[in-house]
Amino acid sequence: KAGVTQTPRYLIKTRGQQVTLSCSPISGHRSVSWYQQTPGQGLQFLFEYFSETQRNKGNFPGRFSGRQFSNSRSEMNVSTLELGDSALYLCASSFQGYNEQFFGPGTRLTVL
Amino acid sequence: AQSVTQLGSHVSVSEGALVLLRCNYSSSVPPYLFWYVQYPNQGLQLLLKYTTGATLVKGINGFEAEFKKSETSFHLTKPSAHMSDAAEYFCAVSEETGGFKTIFGAGTRLFVKA
Repeated sequence: KAGVTQTPRYLIKTRGQQVTLSCSPISGHRSVSWYQQTPGQGLQFLFEYFSETQRNKGNFPGRFSGRQFSNSRSEMNVSTLELGDSALYLCASSFQGYNEQFFGPGTRLTVL
Repeated sequence: AQSVTQLGSHVSVSEGALVLLRCNYSSSVPPYLFWYVQYPNQGLQLLLKYTTGATLVKGINGFEAEFKKSETSFHLTKPSAHMSDAAEYFCAVSEETGGFKTIFGAGTRLFVKA
């Protein structure tokens, strides 16, 4: 089985712009979660989608949003980028959501 | 509410020595517990997991962890460290409460000295 893929792998944006990151889960997995990883804050949960519905959300501002498509692929969007949004964004897929997650390699976002 | 505490942001051991990475959690319901490893510039990889049943869980690469409910701990051990074990390790707790949310600890970076 192919693993979790994330595109793009690297991204450079400027403050005020918006960005969309994409995640393709492992075939058959219906749960997709997103995390932000920074040296200062560690791994922080953004949101989880299951069968196109957002089931859970972390403590991030409304500038962070996501969606899941019928084929389980997911996108996350960050609008009005701030310098502090520079991070590694990790996507993880899971069969049902509460069991183990399989992580993609991440998208490294740099905001200048 | 869930929380995870990993004691020690950095742990250094000699090659061949015991590895012990500590993790304590809090959870309002029976938790699912995980240890993940992250190598530089890569995503996280599952080492082992506890869901139900046997409290001593064996994982990949010779790692194991013991779930101790009374101590709310899930420490990770490996009898003999190898240079290739140098990485960052994350303990995580997951609860199914109408949705699914996994909380990760801050991580412990393991250094292995030759």
